[in-house]
Amino acid sequence: QLVLTQSPSASASLGASVKLTCTLSSGHSSYAIAWHQQQPEKGPRYLMKLNSDGSHSKGDGIPDRFSGSSSGAERYLTISSLQSEDEADYYCQTWGTGIHVFGTGTKVTVL
Amino acid sequence: EVQLVESGGGLVEPGGSLRLSCAASGFTFSNAWMSWVRQAPGKGLEWVGRIKSKTDGGTTDYAAPVKGTFTISRDDSKNTLYLQMNSLKTEDTAVYYCTKVGHIVYWGQGTLVTVSS
Repeated sequence: QLVLTQSPSASASLGASVKLTCTLSSGHSSYAIAWHQQQPEKGPRYLMKLNSDGSHSKGDGIPDRFSGSSSGAERYLTISSLQSEDEADYYCQTWGTGIHVFGTGTKVTVL
Repeated sequence: EVQLVESGGGLVEPGGSLRLSCAASGFTFSNAWMSWVRQAPGKGLEWVGRIKSKTDGGTTDYAAPVKGTFTISRDDSKNTLYLQMNSLKTEDTAVYYCTKVGHIVYWGQGTLVTVSS
């Protein structure tokens, strides 16, 4: 079964970095994912598509502070130089034949 | 600029029906795979279903909770995506987003559906 696992929360200080993890279920370690950001009271925004080899393609206007990487079944989103506007929920998403799946999201708090 | 504008949300009683629309612009709609995603109040994102472009077969796939009650369709002449929702339940209450699937994903602003008596 295709499942994505995310930690419920993460926090870091203003100007620091935070690394979020999205873990693919067993047997799906080669899958690409997408990362989406949802700021409070707003709709989601696409950040990037992240492949198993770590290559990624960002959405329009996504700052260089956002980067992605991969290791095995884990997909990472690193936010550098944290800004107050980065306080948001971050969701990973993947897809298979006839199905798309979202992770449960990670709430990032900027201290 | 890609724009997706949902409409058609509102209050409906349990067991009722509603049709959502998503007006697309800024890209070649007929070539695009499109999907619907929903978000219940205070909850995470949930994929609802997807429709392929007609050139790729125009087929649809649905999440298990809505299979058999929700139908996704498209009118390429009007650049519009639809979500027909029948036999609505209180747990279908959510903001419904239309998205353009592909190399880059685009989201609409969402439309709220409230199922309540």
